[in-house]
Order: sequence, then C-alpha cells, then structure tokens
Amino acid sequence: AQSVTQLGSHVSVSEGALVLLRCNYSSSVPPYLFWYVQYPNQGLQLLLKYTSAATLVKGINGFEAEFKKSETSFHLTKPSAHMSDAAEYFCAVVKSRGTALIFGKGTTLSVSS
Amino acid sequence: DGGITQSPKYLFRKEGQNVTLSCEQNLNHDAMYWYRQDPGQGLRLIYYSQIVNDFQKGDIAEGYSVSREKKESFPLTVTSAQKNPTAFYLCASNLQGQTAPLHFGNGTRLTVT
Repeated sequence: AQSVTQLGSHVSVSEGALVLLRCNYSSSVPPYLFWYVQYPNQGLQLLLKYTSAATLVKGINGFEAEFKKSETSFHLTKPSAHMSDAAEYFCAVVKSRGTALIFGKGTTLSVSS
Repeated sequence: DGGITQSPKYLFRKEGQNVTLSCEQNLNHDAMYWYRQDPGQGLRLIYYSQIVNDFQKGDIAEGYSVSREKKESFPLTVTSAQKNPTAFYLCASNLQGQTAPLHFGNGTRLTVT
C-alpha cells in the first residue's frame, strides 16, 4: 500500500535561509508524488508534482523537489525563504488504484526575520 | 472563475444531529473527494466519487454518507454515528487520470458540542 512520511512536524528557518522539507514514500508501483501548501483556514494549493518525467521538478513560488528512487524520497526545497512561505506543507502519493491522494501528516514551516 | 465552493465556512451542531456539508464545482471535473483534517494528522480520505451515481469508501468512511446525483455536486452528511465529528472538512476534485492534481475548496469547519 502507498504511504508517505514527512519527517519533522515543524521546521523553523530565518528569512533568506534554505528551506528543506522532507518526505519519504512507500509504494509498490512507480509513484506519482505531489507537494501542496496550506495557509490558515484555507484549502490546499498545488506546489508541484512528479509524474515520472524529470526527477527534478520545479514548482511555483521558487520551490522544487527531487525524486530519488534509491532513497524513496521526494524532499521539497527553496534556496531562500521568504516570510510569505510560512504555512503548512503536505506531501502526497496517489493511491495504487484510482486517483485519490494519500497525504502525509504535514510540516509547519515558520520563517523568522 | 472556475473553482470549488464549500458552504458554509463554519458550522455548529448539537451532538446527535445529522449535518450536511455542501460541495459544488464548476471545473467540469469527473472525480470528487472528501477529506477530513485534524491537527497533526494530515488529511484522511472519507469518500470519493469518480463518476456520477457511483462512489467509494475511503479510509475513514464510518459515520459519514455521500451522494453524487450531479457531476457538479458531492454533498457529505456527517451522521450521529460519527464518534468525533468536530474537524475541518475539505472537498476536492480532479480530472480523470492519476497525474491530475486535486483542486481544493476552502473547507468547512464543523464544531459539534
């Protein structure tokens, strides 16, 4: 069965610092992976997705993620954090049958000035 | 603008009452989903529907019911059998295909006392 594990429920960085949010997946088939962002009391917005094309995926707002099969990882990075990046981030994998997503428990990113 | 509308944004009910959460989309998407979000637990799949008049149970369907009579609408009923109904409920939709990203509504926060 598919699953994702997000390491670290809370990450704090300074403005301008590197952002690294970790996601490891488990899948019996080649996975389709997603990162979403959620601002307080809102729905989720798609940041980027991996669909077995390029292993380095670029998304919106300067975020990118690298698919590493050998490490079963899909970590999200941004070279320089901005105050507006403070939010909750979710990694997700497509269920093996159908189109529903299985989400990780989320990582809250705090950015300090 | 196309999107997903969830109403109301906040909902209060007494224990023992059934309550129906509305979800409408004008994106012409075939598939629709209901997720429940609790702090620190990520999003958990309640029900999903890939076509009109058909739906499947997700991981936590007990105490919930849905219908899909129209392509645009996928209401969720939280019944009195749901032991812990207070949560943030998110509706989503997407086109058919495992690489199609989910589009989310802004959620309904249900409080049952």
